[in-house]
Amino acid sequence: DVKVTQSSRYLVKRTGEKVFLECVQDMDHENMFWYRQDPGLGLRLIYFSYDVKMKEKGDIPEGYSVSREKKERFSLILESASTNQTSMYLCASRRDRDLSEAFFGQGTRLTVV
Amino acid sequence: AQSVSQHNHHVILSEAASLELGCNYSYGGTVNLFWYVQYPGQHLQLLLKYFSGDPLVKGIKGFEAEFIKSKFSFNLRKPSVQWSDTAEYFCAVNALRGAGNMLTFGGGTRLMVKP
Repeated sequence: DVKVTQSSRYLVKRTGEKVFLECVQDMDHENMFWYRQDPGLGLRLIYFSYDVKMKEKGDIPEGYSVSREKKERFSLILESASTNQTSMYLCASRRDRDLSEAFFGQGTRLTVV
Repeated sequence: AQSVSQHNHHVILSEAASLELGCNYSYGGTVNLFWYVQYPGQHLQLLLKYFSGDPLVKGIKGFEAEFIKSKFSFNLRKPSVQWSDTAEYFCAVNALRGAGNMLTFGGGTRLMVKP
């Protein structure tokens, strides 16, 4: 059974903290994605990675960075958390060769206070 | 930059009514198109996809979608909805950005089916 696991389901952080969100997939997928999901705005792509150490900015990369040192792990970093980064964060992965179905993690609900 | 628009944010239907959810995208190159569904409390899951060939694609649970290239549209349809179709529906487009393929989603349509 395919699996995308996000390290935390709920997280509360203070303004200005550096925050790490971790995502691990066990399907040997090349592509991995980080989205934030907000009511009425759908899923907005923050960053994606198409291979180890390779990354591209999505539509809303400001205030975020990513790291992909190993194929199975894709980390999202909030350099200095702000209240407008309070959101649901979703990680996804998929095979690159056929660009087929993306598999999603259960999400991390981050609250910045 | 590519974008995906879903015009209906909320749709309320009675059981057995027909459904059509609109999706338009803006991208000049070759695209692959998807519809995903998120049932309450669950992960997003794939409903159907279009890569090439017949522009009318059939997915799971009786859903279908039609790709109209001239209109940059990929609308989702179901002839008769059920209460269990209550969910949020997302249209998505895959296209090249840099050296990789990015997957962009629309704003979603929340469907409520009244029993």
